[in-house]
Amino acid sequence: QKEVEQDPGPLSVPEGAIVSLNCTYSNSAFQYFMWYRQYSRKGPELLMYTYSSGNKEDGRFTAQVDKSSKYISLFIRDSQPSDSATYLCAIPDFYGGATNKLIFGTGTLLAVQP
Amino acid sequence: KAGVTQTPRYLIKTRGQQVTLSCSPISGHRSVSWYQQTPGQGLQFLFEYFSETQRNKGNFPGRFSGRQFSNSRSEMNVSTLELGDSALYLCASSLSGQGSYEQYFGPGTRLTVT
Repeated sequence: QKEVEQDPGPLSVPEGAIVSLNCTYSNSAFQYFMWYRQYSRKGPELLMYTYSSGNKEDGRFTAQVDKSSKYISLFIRDSQPSDSATYLCAIPDFYGGATNKLIFGTGTLLAVQP
Repeated sequence: KAGVTQTPRYLIKTRGQQVTLSCSPISGHRSVSWYQQTPGQGLQFLFEYFSETQRNKGNFPGRFSGRQFSNSRSEMNVSTLELGDSALYLCASSLSGQGSYEQYFGPGTRLTVT
């Protein structure tokens, strides 16, 4: 079983739709959860990070963590064509000592149609 | 402030050859991590360097190696290239030594092995 699993997509939605992107993880010790966005031919960029359970909102983006079910989600409201990208969930792997290692989901390719 | 730079951006090599990729982190950042990104496996952690020391290593064969210089620039080397090594190689830099949520990725080096 992979440590982080992500719905693979691809996902195609009309402009203005609400988008839901999801990941599950296996290690209950994980505490921080991140979402990265990767445009074509670019490196990933950090979108949001959350700690423990609950919601965190940043503009049109909401990150949600449910530690009881080991489930993390990213919601995009009023999606725009500029949101078309690959979205990656990532979890810092602190288990085993000092490290900046991130464990990534495989990514979901999102296309927002105008 | 200049971002993370990676050179070269594109590379075509033949099976059996070796290759060296370079990463220059953001000025002042001492941690550099390398990832391999493929369509099937997503982003997989290769290794991480902090202050010229390898702190963590992913599950890759010994053909993959790296180093970090005193100016924090990092190189990775792949010897005896195989077709399966074709991938986007990304490096990420961060300021702190552990658990940094602010990791900045470069645009990557696209390696094609024929």
